[in-house]
Amino acid sequence: GEDVEQSLFLSVREGDSSVINCTYTDSSSTYLYWYKQEPGAGLQLLTYIFSNMDMKQDQRLTVLLNKKDKHLSLRIADTQTGDSAIYFCAESLTNRDDKIIFGKGTRLHILP
Amino acid sequence: DVKVTQSSRYLVKRTGEKVFLECVQDMDHENMFWYRQDPGLGLRLIYFSYDVKMKEKGDIPEGYSVSREKKERFSLILESASTNQTSMYLCASSSYSRGRGDEQYFGPGTRLTVT
Repeated sequence: GEDVEQSLFLSVREGDSSVINCTYTDSSSTYLYWYKQEPGAGLQLLTYIFSNMDMKQDQRLTVLLNKKDKHLSLRIADTQTGDSAIYFCAESLTNRDDKIIFGKGTRLHILP
Repeated sequence: DVKVTQSSRYLVKRTGEKVFLECVQDMDHENMFWYRQDPGLGLRLIYFSYDVKMKEKGDIPEGYSVSREKKERFSLILESASTNQTSMYLCASSSYSRGRGDEQYFGPGTRLTVT
């Protein structure tokens, strides 16, 4: 089946690293995405990784993909108050007309 | 064993009544949460608390307030219950894990009916 799982909540102190984890079930996914949703706003594409890569780095963001375990993670270095948001993991399925399946989102809370 | 308990499993209240839902955890967890669960809508976060007397609004805080006077106890208050607050209410707690993922432990739920 098609399923994307993530934990509901993550709390982190400002300046520490955050690691948001995601598991997916469909091995035919081509792209895996991380979206950010700030309070009152829509989804914003943060970064994505092609399924034949295992790592992608973009400034403070590092995406790691373990295709064997179907595990995706987003690491945010030096977490700031502006990183407080809900983060959604998603996968696109080439054998389903590029249908995108979203996880339920991980709420990242920055401790004062 | 982590234990999260809720004061009632079933509650029936009238429209306009003030309702208190209590949640207690025995694992010294920093974080506590109140969710409601409705058919087809999944879990929706109402409020959470990351420390005593500290609270943050979740996705649907309207019509609710919370209180966290002691670390182990987190109360959800419906100031004036309405029929659209009929739902299953779930309390959860988690420990601060330095940014590595907080595993949440859930209580058994309180099914509230407002007539």
